[in-house]
Amino acid sequence: NAGVMQNPRHLVRRRGQEARLRCSPMKGHSHVYWYRQLPEEGLKFMVYLQKENIIDESGMPKERFSAEFPKEGPSILRIQQVVRGDSAAYFCASSPQTGRNTEAFFGQGTRLTVV
Amino acid sequence: GDSVTQMEGPVTLSEEAFLTINCTYTATGYPSLFWYVQYPGEGLQLLLKATKADDKGSNKGFEATYRKETTSFHLEKGSVQVSDSAVYFCALSDRGRALTFGSGTRLQVQP
Repeated sequence: NAGVMQNPRHLVRRRGQEARLRCSPMKGHSHVYWYRQLPEEGLKFMVYLQKENIIDESGMPKERFSAEFPKEGPSILRIQQVVRGDSAAYFCASSPQTGRNTEAFFGQGTRLTVV
Repeated sequence: GDSVTQMEGPVTLSEEAFLTINCTYTATGYPSLFWYVQYPGEGLQLLLKATKADDKGSNKGFEATYRKETTSFHLEKGSVQVSDSAVYFCALSDRGRALTFGSGTRLQVQP
């Protein structure tokens, strides 16, 4: 059973370009979470999705950022018109369900560098 | 809102030394508590967890006890190894919601 797969591992974009980050959850997992980690900081929650639904986007910036988790295919985190401050590591986690005893499994992250 | 506070690093220890990384939390509900470890260039791996008061999570020689009265979940290991060098994150999940993380504590173990 493959783990959470994120790609690309590293992504370089010029200011103003779009960045698309992909996350394939573990098999059988229908809950996906995106987190952002700035250098030397902890992870900040961005968005929680289930298949075809955004459950909680309270951590998403109001502009330029969007996320989806379609019925088929990976979850996508999309950043439009990137700026230098978007440079960070973006981690995806998945879980089979929610609840007190549910573990979230993390991918290896996508490291976005905006030049 | 929910929050997690960890001791600042880096923590530098010699091999076989005793490790404590402090973690306290604030939550409106009754959260589950976690410690995650991040090795250089990697994602986070769950190290241990506890879901109710007085539970002790343990794994690979690491332990942490859920202390509701002091709202703490301190990480301990009796004898650290060089291979334990990593960043350790304390986290909570309240009512099954997304994880709230502390800022992380970098551990450096010297031979």
